[in-house]
Amino acid sequence: DAGVIQSPRHEVTEMGQEVTLRCKPISGHNSLFWYRQTMMRGLELLIYFNNNVPIDDSGMPEDRFSAKMPNASFSTLKIQPSEPRDSAVYFCASKQTGAFSYTFGSGTRLTVV
Amino acid sequence: AQSVSQHNHHVILSEAASLELGCNYSYGGTVNLFWYVQYPGQHLQLLLKYFSGDPLVKGIKGFEAEFIKSKFSFNLRKPSVQWSDTAEYFCAVTGSGGYNKLIFGAGTRLAVHP
Repeated sequence: DAGVIQSPRHEVTEMGQEVTLRCKPISGHNSLFWYRQTMMRGLELLIYFNNNVPIDDSGMPEDRFSAKMPNASFSTLKIQPSEPRDSAVYFCASKQTGAFSYTFGSGTRLTVV
Repeated sequence: AQSVSQHNHHVILSEAASLELGCNYSYGGTVNLFWYVQYPGQHLQLLLKYFSGDPLVKGIKGFEAEFIKSKFSFNLRKPSVQWSDTAEYFCAVTGSGGYNKLIFGAGTRLAVHP
């Protein structure tokens, strides 16, 4: 298994642009989590899905952030419009419902200038 | 609400020194506890986990952690650190239900000097 795959690995964009981060969970994992990591706030859970349905999006910082999971093998996190304070590393993780083995992707390092 | 507190934000040690990183959690139910490690520029990797049973858990690379329920603690230990242990360490907690989200502490940056 290739693990949790995130793309792109690095993204540099200008303030105001739309940014889309992508995640492919491990096949058979039906829970998916998006985290944001910054120096100031550490690892924050933004949103998580179970069976493609958003269960808790209370961590999404504001309406500029949105996440979708159209099918079991793909999720996106979108920021529109992006701001410099969105610069962070965004991690995706997946697991099987009822299990507690979370697997993390390599992350996307986002820089908004 | 769930929360995790890591007391040491930065720790500097010499090689062969012993390590103990503190972790306390707040959760009103049965918990599962984890320690993750993040090497510079890399993603999170699981060091060890506690679900039930023996409260002393052994993980990879010589790390261990002890769950003390009465103190709501899950401290990470290693008797003799190496330069290659330089990394950031995160304690995390989740409840016992299937959906439960993994909540992380703020992390502890460990620097080991040769």
